[in-house]
Amino acid sequence: DVKVTQSSRYLVKRTGEKVFLECVQDMDHENMFWYRQDPGLGLRLIYFSYDVKMKEKGDIPEGYSVSREKKERFSLILESASTNQTSMYLCASSLYGRERKNIQYFGAGTRLSVL
Amino acid sequence: AQKITQTQPGMFVQEKEAVTLDCTYDTSDPSYGLFWYKQPSSGEMIFLIYQGSYDQQNATEGRYSLNFQKARKSANLVISASQLGDSAMYFCAIQAGGGNKLTFGTGTQLKVEL
Repeated sequence: DVKVTQSSRYLVKRTGEKVFLECVQDMDHENMFWYRQDPGLGLRLIYFSYDVKMKEKGDIPEGYSVSREKKERFSLILESASTNQTSMYLCASSLYGRERKNIQYFGAGTRLSVL
Repeated sequence: AQKITQTQPGMFVQEKEAVTLDCTYDTSDPSYGLFWYKQPSSGEMIFLIYQGSYDQQNATEGRYSLNFQKARKSANLVISASQLGDSAMYFCAIQAGGGNKLTFGTGTQLKVEL
């Protein structure tokens, strides 16, 4: 079974703090993704990576950065957390390829509150 | 750009009945894939079913089937014989254009009642 593990289920941080959200997958997937989920807005893509040290902006990258130093690990960084970044964050991974059926497998999510 | 529209924010269904969750999509790419995911209250997204744009038949996975109407750009999820454990948020998503990114809809909250 594919396993995508997010380091924390719940996090509470203060405005201005630097926040790291970690994600690890064990299926040797090339692609990794970070989404945020807000009520009424669905999931929105923040950043994704298709290889080590490679990253591409998604639909809402502002205020975020990412790091992928190893294939299995993809980190989301909030350089200076703000209250509008309070949200559910979901990590996913998938194989890379032209075939459309590249199923994304998700972690359990991290619910971040910024006070 | 791709777009998914889910017009039903919430749905109720009685146990053992069938339910259809609506999904319409928009893309200019002739090659695309459509996905449905389930998100229980625990938060994890669970893949349910996939339909490719060139697939000749509608996809089925156990009690889940996809009513794919290409000309109408719709990909509705049908759940047969609903169970209490089907109560969850359901998301439709499309993969098209470059890369393996997914674009999600806003979701439908399904509640199965006794």
